[in-house]
Amino acid sequence: GESVGLHLPTLSVQEGDNSIINCAYSNSASDYFIWYKQESGKGPQFIIDIRSNMDKRQGQRVTVLLNKTVKHLSLQIAATQPGDSAVYFCAENRGGSYIPTFGRGTSLIVHP
Amino acid sequence: NAGVMQNPRHLVRRRGQEARLRCSPMKGHSHVYWYRQLPEEGLKFMVYLQKENIIDESGMPKERFSAEFPKEGPSILRIQQVVRGDSAAYFCASSPGLAESYEQYFGPGTRLTVT
Repeated sequence: GESVGLHLPTLSVQEGDNSIINCAYSNSASDYFIWYKQESGKGPQFIIDIRSNMDKRQGQRVTVLLNKTVKHLSLQIAATQPGDSAVYFCAENRGGSYIPTFGRGTSLIVHP
Repeated sequence: NAGVMQNPRHLVRRRGQEARLRCSPMKGHSHVYWYRQLPEEGLKFMVYLQKENIIDESGMPKERFSAEFPKEGPSILRIQQVVRGDSAAYFCASSPGLAESYEQYFGPGTRLTVT
């Protein structure tokens, strides 16, 4: 399944499917991007990051893709599990700034 | 190795009272950030502090809100004369402040309810 944008859409998938969460960032000067996972009642948790000199980075079951031409970032989660259910936020840092700008998030619901 | 700690986790205040939110960064971290989150929204930056210094408070309302990070002790976000619109979750994050390292570690948040 796929979800687009910064509006807090909801993405529902079945356990075992691959999930794709998209994010359109706004600032062409941003050079560092992070995906966070936030479970209900908890603080955001770092998942994976990518710098603007890369277009792909892989972690454990997660991959982040960066397309600077269209200012688009995506998070791919392989073999989605019920424990992956959460709100996912992308965040961008403008060059040299320690302060990230967060998108609104996408709610991922994984059905067993 | 304890993560970022925030207390209280839940805080209820009547309109006009003061709210004090505390944040203890991860061990070895000298940079603290405060964010505010409304339901179903992303985090909005409020203030960025280093020990004894406010580096950037561009996201902080000009009135009633203040923040500090003293040499000893936790960082404090203080909201005076709270109003219903201050009800939100307030998150603190910390980072080591290393050059070219932007990863932040978040605490569990303080949920403020103003009645």
